[in-house]
Amino acid sequence: KAGVTQTPRYLIKTRGQQVTLSCSPISGHRSVSWYQQTPGQGLQFLFEYFSETQRNKGNFPGRFSGRQFSNSRSEMNVSTLELGDSALYLCASSQPGREKLFFGSGTQLSVL
Amino acid sequence: EDKVVQSPLSLVVHEGDTVTLNCSYEVTNFRSLLWYKQEKKAPTFLFMLTSSGIEKKSGRLSSILDKKELSSILNITATQTGDSAIYLCAVEEVKLVFGKGTKLTVNP
Repeated sequence: KAGVTQTPRYLIKTRGQQVTLSCSPISGHRSVSWYQQTPGQGLQFLFEYFSETQRNKGNFPGRFSGRQFSNSRSEMNVSTLELGDSALYLCASSQPGREKLFFGSGTQLSVL
Repeated sequence: EDKVVQSPLSLVVHEGDTVTLNCSYEVTNFRSLLWYKQEKKAPTFLFMLTSSGIEKKSGRLSSILDKKELSSILNITATQTGDSAIYLCAVEEVKLVFGKGTKLTVNP
């Protein structure tokens, strides 16, 4: 069974630009969560989607948004990039009602 | 205010040593505590502890949940260089809340 796939693996953007990250969950997993990881803050929860609906949202500004498609694939978008958005963005999928998350390898975003 | 606190933040040991990593939490509706190992990018699942399953063991790794002290420990015996990684503790409170992790370095 294929794992969680995130694309792209690396991304370099400049301030003010926007970016879209993609995540394909494990087949059969309908819940997708996104986390931002930085050296100083660890993993911080962005949002969770289930059946195309956002179920939970973390404390991030409105510049961070996401969506989930009918095939459970998910995208997250960051608009008006800031230097502080440089981080590893991790996507994780799980079966409904299960706490155990399976993570992808992440997208390393650098904002210059 | 951090709800999940891990200590130490970093640790350097020699092969063969035994290490104990700590995780304390403060959440309203505790459901489970999970340990992950992050070697490069993708965290991989190690253990899940709940009120009905407070001790888990797999090879040289073991973990215990102390419900009274609201904490958990992860023990690694006879460490190997391949154990070098960031160890993440997460507590489920509607969603998973992660600690900042403990960076373990095992030197030959």
